[in-house]
Amino acid sequence: GAGVSQSPRYKVAKRGQDVALRCDPISGHVSLFWYQQALGQGPEFLTYFQNEAQLDKSGLPSDRFFAERPEGSVSTLKIQRTQQEDSAVYLCASSPGVDQPQHFGDGTRLSIL
Amino acid sequence: RKEVEQDPGPFNVPEGATVAFNCTYSNSASQSFFWYRQDCRKEPKLLMSVYSSGNEDGRFTAQLNRASQYISLLIRDSKLSDSATYLCVVTRGGGGNKLTFGTGTQLKVEL
Repeated sequence: GAGVSQSPRYKVAKRGQDVALRCDPISGHVSLFWYQQALGQGPEFLTYFQNEAQLDKSGLPSDRFFAERPEGSVSTLKIQRTQQEDSAVYLCASSPGVDQPQHFGDGTRLSIL
Repeated sequence: RKEVEQDPGPFNVPEGATVAFNCTYSNSASQSFFWYRQDCRKEPKLLMSVYSSGNEDGRFTAQLNRASQYISLLIRDSKLSDSATYLCVVTRGGGGNKLTFGTGTQLKVEL
């Protein structure tokens, strides 16, 4: 099925390295969201795109986090100079438009050593 | 204080039992309300929306009390397959309708 696809599924990096996480939303979905889920917690909002425009980045924890969606489809979440506290599952969700249900990908499990 | 509060559990119940989860939210501007289900190492999946009039889907009943800012989920005749984490979720509307999640309540249904 053509659900939300995220890659890689698992990523291990050393502290200080840069990482890039990819999200392929459902085709035609206008809205795209990134969430961060720490162990034992619910997902927390990071950022939101409507097409290629990043309309809300209020949840990004620091300026080390950067997201883009240049052509309004695939999105990349980049984390620079990773820290141990960045270890979490990063979830991507897409929806056909505002006020429509969000469909989640399987997530990328990031471990920083 | 978190915007959405839930008892983390775990709730351990025997098969066939009725179990209820509660959730409170702090932002009175919240507009939409949901219960999501998340299995271990899986993505959250929408279980049901929650309305003030209450709504039922099979063995699941959800209720919203706007005055008390309180949301509930009732599961009747619980099955082993209901074992999961149940996430209470609210949105404020506008700005893409980002979801605000509670910590989740873990349910374990046992034989």
